[in-house]
Amino acid sequence: EAGVTQFPSHSVIEKGQTVTLRCDPISGHDNLYWYRRVMGKEIKFLLHFVKESKQDESGMPNNRFLAERTGGTYSTLKVQPAELEDSGVYFCASSRTGVTEGYTFGSGTRLTVV
Amino acid sequence: KQEVTQIPAALSVPEGENLVLNCSFTDSAIYNLQWFRQDPGKGLTSLLLIQSSQREQTSGRLNASLDKSSGRSTLYIAASQPGDSATYLCAVFDSWGKLQFGAGTQVVVTP
Repeated sequence: EAGVTQFPSHSVIEKGQTVTLRCDPISGHDNLYWYRRVMGKEIKFLLHFVKESKQDESGMPNNRFLAERTGGTYSTLKVQPAELEDSGVYFCASSRTGVTEGYTFGSGTRLTVV
Repeated sequence: KQEVTQIPAALSVPEGENLVLNCSFTDSAIYNLQWFRQDPGKGLTSLLLIQSSQREQTSGRLNASLDKSSGRSTLYIAASQPGDSATYLCAVFDSWGKLQFGAGTQVVVTP
C-alpha cells in the first residue's frame, strides 16, 4: 500500500507570501492529522480530520492557518500570510482507526520563511 | 496537561552495545504509546505501538515496555548497529488519537 505523501518536500517563501502544503493519506484512512516541529521544539499537534470534518483544531496557532480536506481525501494546509516563526517541518499522518492502530507519517514538508 | 520527557537527549555507543532509551509521561491516563524513528531530513517511521493494556511489544532487535502506573516506557535495542543511528521519539495517545511527543533521543552508533 502507498504511504502518506506530502508535497512539496521543501518550500522557501518570503514573509507575507502564501504557501499551501498538501497531504495525501493512505487510501481508506478516515483519520488525518497535521503536526509540526519548529526549530528546537517538540513535534506539536495542529489538527485532526475525520473524513472531511475537523474533529479537533485546538493546535492551530492562529487564523493565518487554514486546513481543508476535500471530500475526505487529500488535505491542504494553507499559511497566509506567512511569518518567520512559521518556519519548521510540517508532518501529516493518517490512520484507519486512530488510537488502536497508531499512525503512519509522511516525510514532512520543510517550510522556510525568509 | 500531559508532558512527555525523554532521557537522555543524546547517546553515543560503540557498535554491538545494547541501547536503552527512556520515556516518561506525567498523566498515566494514556491510551497507547508509540515509538518512532526519525532519520535526518526524513519523516517519522513507526517502530512499535504498545496498547494501553500491554506491558511490552517486541519486533526483531527492538523491545518496548510500558508501565502506565509509573508513567514510563523504555525502548531497548539489542546489539546496536551503525544503521541504528537516528533520533528516537516517544509519543503518547490521548483518547481522541492526538499524540503528545517527547523531544527525542539522538543516537549515534559508532563502528
